[in-house]
Amino acid sequence: DGGITQSPKYLFRKEGQNVTLSCEQNLNHDAMYWYRQDPGQGLRLIYYSQIVNDFQKGDIAEGYSVSREKKESFPLTVTSAQKNPTAFYLCASSDPNEKLFFGSGTQLSVL
Amino acid sequence: GQNIDQPTEMTATEGAIVQINCTYQTSGFNGLFWYQQHAGEAPTFLSYNVLDGLEEKGRFSSFLSRSKGYSYLLLKELQMKDSASYLCAVRYFSWGKFQFGAGTQVVVTP
Repeated sequence: DGGITQSPKYLFRKEGQNVTLSCEQNLNHDAMYWYRQDPGQGLRLIYYSQIVNDFQKGDIAEGYSVSREKKESFPLTVTSAQKNPTAFYLCASSDPNEKLFFGSGTQLSVL
Repeated sequence: GQNIDQPTEMTATEGAIVQINCTYQTSGFNGLFWYQQHAGEAPTFLSYNVLDGLEEKGRFSSFLSRSKGYSYLLLKELQMKDSASYLCAVRYFSWGKFQFGAGTQVVVTP
């Protein structure tokens, strides 16, 4: 079955530590996205990538970094510069009609 | 910013009908999506509207009025499994730009 796989489902970060969230898709989609979801707020765009080796900052990119070395993979690193990282992180890809397909999410918490 | 407004929570009984409204800023509008999200899970696609009118898909229907910046999602014959958050998302002409509402938590009671 085609889809988007995010791992891990739960992740804990210590102060000063960088952590990386994995996102893999086998839908053959060019475009991929990272969103952050906080209680009572809409999904907010962190980074997006239209094509391999290219990515753009979203609305809340500070304290995050990404890479897009392969079409299938779009990992997100939460750096120590992100002072409030506790949230539910969703990775998505979009088909040519820009319909979004989401992964099952990673809940990041701070120890 | 391009605010998307939808109610925070709605409660209805099993078998009833619930209508979730969504309003948005019309400038640059290029399509509206509804997603369903159960707690701790991925949002899943429900419907897409780009032209005015009603789109029906089984128990779920979605309506759009572009001039009014208004959409609604209609859930008929409610089932317990419909208890979830429903997200309204608007695509704007700037590429990659989807604006999401905060979601409407629908609680279905027996």
